[in-house]
Amino acid sequence: GESVGLHLPTLSVQEGDNSIINCAYSNSASDYFIWYKQESGKGPQFIIDIRSNMDKRQGQRVTVLLNKTVKHLSLQIAATQPGDSAVYFCAERGRDDKIIFGKGTRLHILP
Amino acid sequence: DAGVIQSPRHEVTEMGQEVTLRCKPISGHNSLFWYRQTMMRGLELLIYFNNNVPIDDSGMPEDRFSAKMPNASFSTLKIQPSEPRDSAVYFCASKHGVGTEAFFGQGTRLTVV
Repeated sequence: GESVGLHLPTLSVQEGDNSIINCAYSNSASDYFIWYKQESGKGPQFIIDIRSNMDKRQGQRVTVLLNKTVKHLSLQIAATQPGDSAVYFCAERGRDDKIIFGKGTRLHILP
Repeated sequence: DAGVIQSPRHEVTEMGQEVTLRCKPISGHNSLFWYRQTMMRGLELLIYFNNNVPIDDSGMPEDRFSAKMPNASFSTLKIQPSEPRDSAVYFCASKHGVGTEAFFGQGTRLTVV
């Protein structure tokens, strides 16, 4: 399954630099915010989530920041590698357990 | 576990024909989602099952679309009759409990001509 194409915003980052991917959300009632990665020809894959009562969570090479005041979510990837090339989606999980995806951002790694 | 298995991987059909997409979720997962992905609309949630029961089908575009989950290990998404605007990649995903990590299949690329 190819990911969304021409209508996606693209972020180009030099290999080794840090990447920051941003997302605005609208539903204040969501209890979790999630980041997924979709590589070409594959389905989305879970990266990390953050509960709505937190403002920061760290994983391996990734950090998610949540700013509820301005309804903003970001994903930081440290020391970006060629394998990080993909489309990144933010998603929300409501109390009804549905997972709703936002628009994606294509991350392009420059050699 | 082999992950979420979808079939077929690719389907080309003529307008007006019935199309059935199939999904086998990961064993032990009790939630199943059907999504549709297009360039214009991104990833849209079509329907969500919990313990084989449809919980929310508000994303199903019209009556031509129907989904079933007869048991915990199988689900179908049917389009009858199909139209060219149904062309998209259809994903099935499953998850366990109330977690946020949904596991996606490889998708079915549907082309209606």
